[in-house]
Amino acid sequence: AQKITQTQPGMFVQEKEAVTLDCTYDTSDPSYGLFWYKQPSSGEMIFLIYQGSYDQQNATEGRYSLNFQKARKSANLVISASQLGDSAMYFCAMREPNTGNQFYFGTGTSLTVIP
Amino acid sequence: GAVVSQHPSWVICKSGTSVKIECRSLDFQATTMFWYRQFPKQSLMLMATSNEGSKATYEQGVEKDKFLINHASLTLSTLTVTSAHPEDSSFYICSAREQGSYEQYFGPGTRLTVT
Repeated sequence: AQKITQTQPGMFVQEKEAVTLDCTYDTSDPSYGLFWYKQPSSGEMIFLIYQGSYDQQNATEGRYSLNFQKARKSANLVISASQLGDSAMYFCAMREPNTGNQFYFGTGTSLTVIP
Repeated sequence: GAVVSQHPSWVICKSGTSVKIECRSLDFQATTMFWYRQFPKQSLMLMATSNEGSKATYEQGVEKDKFLINHASLTLSTLTVTSAHPEDSSFYICSAREQGSYEQYFGPGTRLTVT
């Protein structure tokens, strides 16, 4: 079974609008971490936001927030006030201690911000 | 923040030759380093995990004799692609983890083209 599932291969959003990128995960480990990374065309992986499985509050980092629904095993990324520079690939990832803290990545979502 | 560098950033080599890619943690000691491969428009796939001073652990399907990994110091890991073939052309990304930390810090990646 896939550890991380991103069902949106591509998304479009109007500049200044908000967009939600979906991510669901699968783990039996009670302790895990969820991450979102942005990968522009240059290839570098840019860390955006982190949510720990025991965190009570949804994580927020500037225009990024993580909608963490533990019972549904979802960790959607919300980008508010989209900017043209947000156009990139976005990867959801999970760190699982019982596999040596290895990272599992989803297949990614390509986001295009339309002016 | 923690910085990881990779060298070279891109390389073109002829089929049958070997290529070495370096991954360095610049401001921390990385007890564990990870090597990923990413084909165009695909996700990152973990190739191997290397711990300083010990042999790398390869993921299923990754040929250890073809992708030689050396993690001889706490700040340097190398990936050597031996007898490269065009199908080895890919984007190779390393990440590094500091002792006692769960976080992985990613390098900027190396784009390998085998002609």
